[in-house]
Amino acid sequence: AQSVTQLGSHVSVSEGALVLLRCNYSSSVPPYLFWYVQYPNQGLQLLLKYTSAATLVKGINGFEAEFKKSETSFHLTKPSAHMSDAAEYFCAVTLNTDKLIFGTGTRLQVFP
Amino acid sequence: GAVVSQHPSRVICKSGTSVKIECRSLDFQATTMFWYRQFPKQSLMLMATSNEGSKATYEQGVEKDKFLINHASLTLSTLTVTSAHPEDSSFYICSAIRQDEQYFGPGTRLTVT
Repeated sequence: AQSVTQLGSHVSVSEGALVLLRCNYSSSVPPYLFWYVQYPNQGLQLLLKYTSAATLVKGINGFEAEFKKSETSFHLTKPSAHMSDAAEYFCAVTLNTDKLIFGTGTRLQVFP
Repeated sequence: GAVVSQHPSRVICKSGTSVKIECRSLDFQATTMFWYRQFPKQSLMLMATSNEGSKATYEQGVEKDKFLINHASLTLSTLTVTSAHPEDSSFYICSAIRQDEQYFGPGTRLTVT
């Protein structure tokens, strides 16, 4: 069975600082991996996804993530945080396009 | 990009009543839609897979008689919470698949008093 673990339920950074949100996955076969962002009382918006092509995936809003099979990780990064990045971020895994298994989420706070 | 809407965005109902939540794919047809439930400050949990023209597939632990799902057309799936109780209060989110990608609705906040 697949699963994802997001280390750190809360991450706080200063505006302009590096953002690093951690995600480790467990899967018996190469998975598809996703990062979603959720703003308060809204649905989820896809930031980026890994589908076995390039290991470094670039997404929207300046975010990117690197698939590292040896570390079973898919950490999300952004070089410079913006106030508008404050939101909840979810890592998700699936073996196909259907059942997404979500992590517990990481709330990102950005301080001026 | 693909747009998925939900209606209503917020609903308050009394304990024991039923409430229906609609999920629509506005600019594409979706044979498969999903319903998720999200408790405060928690992750999304898949409740069921809604298939157009056939019965929904429920995840383990989800009561199919309590959470009725109907996918009568290629653009509409409905979730009816029957005999709602305060513990059913939650944020319900649907998604629809288009070209191998899930697109999420904005969610419905259900409060049962």
